[in-house]
Amino acid sequence: GAGVSQTPSNKVTEKGKYVELRCDPISGHTALYWYRQSLGQGPEFLIYFQGTGAADDSGLPNDRFFAVRPEGSVSTLKIQRTERGDSAMYLCASSLSGTSGKDEQFFGPGTRLTVL
Amino acid sequence: SQQGEEDPQALSIQEGENATMNCSYKTSINNLQWYRQNSGRGLVHLILIRSNEREKHSGRLRVTLDTSKKSSSLLITASRAADTASYFCATDSSYKLIFGSGTRLLVRP
Repeated sequence: GAGVSQTPSNKVTEKGKYVELRCDPISGHTALYWYRQSLGQGPEFLIYFQGTGAADDSGLPNDRFFAVRPEGSVSTLKIQRTERGDSAMYLCASSLSGTSGKDEQFFGPGTRLTVL
Repeated sequence: SQQGEEDPQALSIQEGENATMNCSYKTSINNLQWYRQNSGRGLVHLILIRSNEREKHSGRLRVTLDTSKKSSSLLITASRAADTASYFCATDSSYKLIFGSGTRLLVRP
């Protein structure tokens, strides 16, 4: 079956622009996660959805970042007024239920965002 | 903030040799997972070890967990050039994963 997919695979934008990054989780997975990975570092948690609601958005760096999952499947990460420091790989993952210690998280290939 | 720290940061070995990577973490965990990442792309799940387990095997992979020392190790036996990648440990104290900074493994043919 299909894994987690993310589009676009690469996004180059100019400072100050708005971008949207899309994640299609594995069908039937209720939990969805966004992570951000800077060069040479491990991924860092941004936000977690359980169904349609953001159960934990404590990792979002500031109010320029926002994510939605209106129908409980596809999610969009939105970044307003992009800054050069937002340049990173944005990874999406999904899991069956999000229950602690029980679920493997399956990762998508990521979107590499470059802000010029 | 990062929970785990991998050691070494980089490792270069000859094909056929074994590779050992270590991970230390700070807080109590439910489980610890190891992931692999090729060329800065998506993460591939390798193995999960629960906090009540001490050792786990999967093919050429062997993972140990010492909760008293808050550390884990990943051993890849009989390495292949295709094992060249970055390897990350991740702890799961609730629903989110907290990753270390990774070990970059180079297997020379």
